[in-house]
Amino acid sequence: DVKVTQSSRYLVKRTGEKVFLECVQDMDHENMFWYRQDPGLGLRLIYFSYDVKMKEKGDIPEGYSVSREKKERFSLILESASTNQTSMYLCASRPNRGRSGELFFGEGSRLTVL
Amino acid sequence: SQKIEQNSEALNIQEGKTATLTCNYTNYSPAYLQWYRQDPGRGPVFLLLIRENEKEKRKERLKVTFDTTLKQSLFHITASQPADSATYLCAPRGGGNKLTFGTGTQLKVEL
Repeated sequence: DVKVTQSSRYLVKRTGEKVFLECVQDMDHENMFWYRQDPGLGLRLIYFSYDVKMKEKGDIPEGYSVSREKKERFSLILESASTNQTSMYLCASRPNRGRSGELFFGEGSRLTVL
Repeated sequence: SQKIEQNSEALNIQEGKTATLTCNYTNYSPAYLQWYRQDPGRGPVFLLLIRENEKEKRKERLKVTFDTTLKQSLFHITASQPADSATYLCAPRGGGNKLTFGTGTQLKVEL
């Protein structure tokens, strides 16, 4: 089974701190994604990557950056956390080839910024 | 701009009945549409995909329809069970490598 592992299920950080959210997938997928999920707003795409060292902005990239140095790992970075970045963060991966184009999600990282 | 609409109100139904969830989209023509299930505090899990040239797709107790004229997909769960209680997300796929999700509809199946 495909496994997407997010490093932390729950984090509490202070305003202004630098935050790293790590995501690792074990199925050699080319594409990886970071979403945030908020009540009433659904999943919104922050950044995605279709190859090592490649990244593309999603719909809400402001205040975030990403890093993909290895194929299996995609990191989301909050350079200076703010309270409006309190959210559930979901990482997902998808292969280039596949019948359904389904996304495989991690369990999520719930971040609270105080 | 592209918009996806799912019923924001929870759908409560009795065990054994058929649940029908709606997904409407505007301002684009998706090549396919996916449905996901999400349990509280967990990541979404893929259920079904239906392509633009397919009118209906079935998988066990699940059935999805796709009407590109109405710009709508319906998701049915027949013989619903309490274990089907979850939030269901639709995700029409437009151009590029992105998948856009609706806000989801919460389904509660009562005994």
